[in-house]
Amino acid sequence: GENVEQHPSTLSVQEGDSAVIKCTYSDSASNYFPWYKQELGKRPQLIIDIRSNVGEKKDQRIAVTLNKTAKHFSLHITETQPEDSAVYVCAASRGNFGNEKLTFGTGTRLTIIP
Amino acid sequence: NAGVTQTPKFRVLKTGQSMTLLCAQDMNHEYMYWYRQDPGMGLRLIHYSVGEGTTAKGEVPDGYNVSRLKKQNFLLGLESAAPSQTSVYFCASTLQAPLNTEAFFGQGTRLTVV
Repeated sequence: GENVEQHPSTLSVQEGDSAVIKCTYSDSASNYFPWYKQELGKRPQLIIDIRSNVGEKKDQRIAVTLNKTAKHFSLHITETQPEDSAVYVCAASRGNFGNEKLTFGTGTRLTIIP
Repeated sequence: NAGVTQTPKFRVLKTGQSMTLLCAQDMNHEYMYWYRQDPGMGLRLIHYSVGEGTTAKGEVPDGYNVSRLKKQNFLLGLESAAPSQTSVYFCASTLQAPLNTEAFFGQGTRLTVV
């Protein structure tokens, strides 16, 4: 089955700087890669996702890049703000009928230092 | 729409006791999942269901049972709770459609087994 590894497990950045979190996956058939943000004591919520036919996707200060050859994808947050402090979790799935199971990474705790 | 609702939110059990966690979704989603979230281990899939009346084992199914008698409800049962089952449990649902697998999570259930 799919295995998703996420690094780093913790990350601290100064407010205004950029943060990058990386995930690698093992199943070459995976083609859907979402990122979830989980604030303390709250449920995970989707912030951005990317499909295998796209190399990069942006949404304001957040971007995700995908390298299918190397089987890794990364979350980039620019101009970080205190409200970006949270746990970020990546996932991968085949995203087709009968294969909608998501395999999650172990999460990255991001702390923005004011 | 309420989305995905879990009950209860908190529970303390004694070793050997049993309980049922209820997950309800009002989005007409086909797929429903139960995860447990432990520090350093991320979200791990316990059981899942691809439709009413069907269930399947995930990554860590031992000690748990599930039922999906109605499309909108997915129940997770612990027949004889053990301290190793102390965790935060999340239910999630996804729409069965190609490349549309955003997972909507419940608010979580914090279970402590003493």
